[in-house]
Amino acid sequence: AQKITQTQPGMFVQEKEAVTLDCTYDTSDPSYGLFWYKQPSSGEMIFLIYQGSYDQQNATEGRYSLNFQKARKSANLVISASQLGDSAMYFCAMREGRGGSYIPTFGRGTSLIVHP
Amino acid sequence: EADIYQTPRYLVIGTGKKITLECSQTMGHDKMYWYQQDPGMELHLIHYSYGVNSTEKGDLSSESTVSRIRTEHFPLTLESARPSHTSQYLCASSDSETGTGVHEQYFGPGTRLTVT
Repeated sequence: AQKITQTQPGMFVQEKEAVTLDCTYDTSDPSYGLFWYKQPSSGEMIFLIYQGSYDQQNATEGRYSLNFQKARKSANLVISASQLGDSAMYFCAMREGRGGSYIPTFGRGTSLIVHP
Repeated sequence: EADIYQTPRYLVIGTGKKITLECSQTMGHDKMYWYQQDPGMELHLIHYSYGVNSTEKGDLSSESTVSRIRTEHFPLTLESARPSHTSQYLCASSDSETGTGVHEQYFGPGTRLTVT
């Protein structure tokens, strides 16, 4: 079974608008971490934001925020005020504790295109 | 900026050749990873290492081998390249989870391999 599910293969957003990229996860480990990475067309993977399973507040990093709903097992990425440079693939990943040997599992990714 | 390097960046090679993809990091990270990724697609974990003299196979069997003789170096070898090996190969590293912090993965720029 997929541990990380990203149901949106592609998303389109107008420049300066906000966009939400969905991510749901599956784990029975009480200790886990959730990551979002950005991959531009150049190919490198860039770390964006992290949410720990015990964190009480949603993570924020500049224009990125993580809408963490633990009971629903979702960790959606919200990008505010989209910019043309935000066009890229976005990957959600989970690192489980001892049960997962601390090796991250990635979702299939969502392609985001920002229109001017 | 991440201090993780991959060479070569691009490689075109004939079927049956033996190739080694190089990956080095200067951050002193214990953990290193190799991923295979087709353009715009998900990442497949090929191999990972927890530290020197520790290597494990990932989910994808790609007929490759790795070694970890030094902390900073994690080369990937294909003994006999085939057209099905045509893909992008991403190397990553992270520090171990024994201390506080996010322990995100840092990725290299990737090697785009074409086997003719």
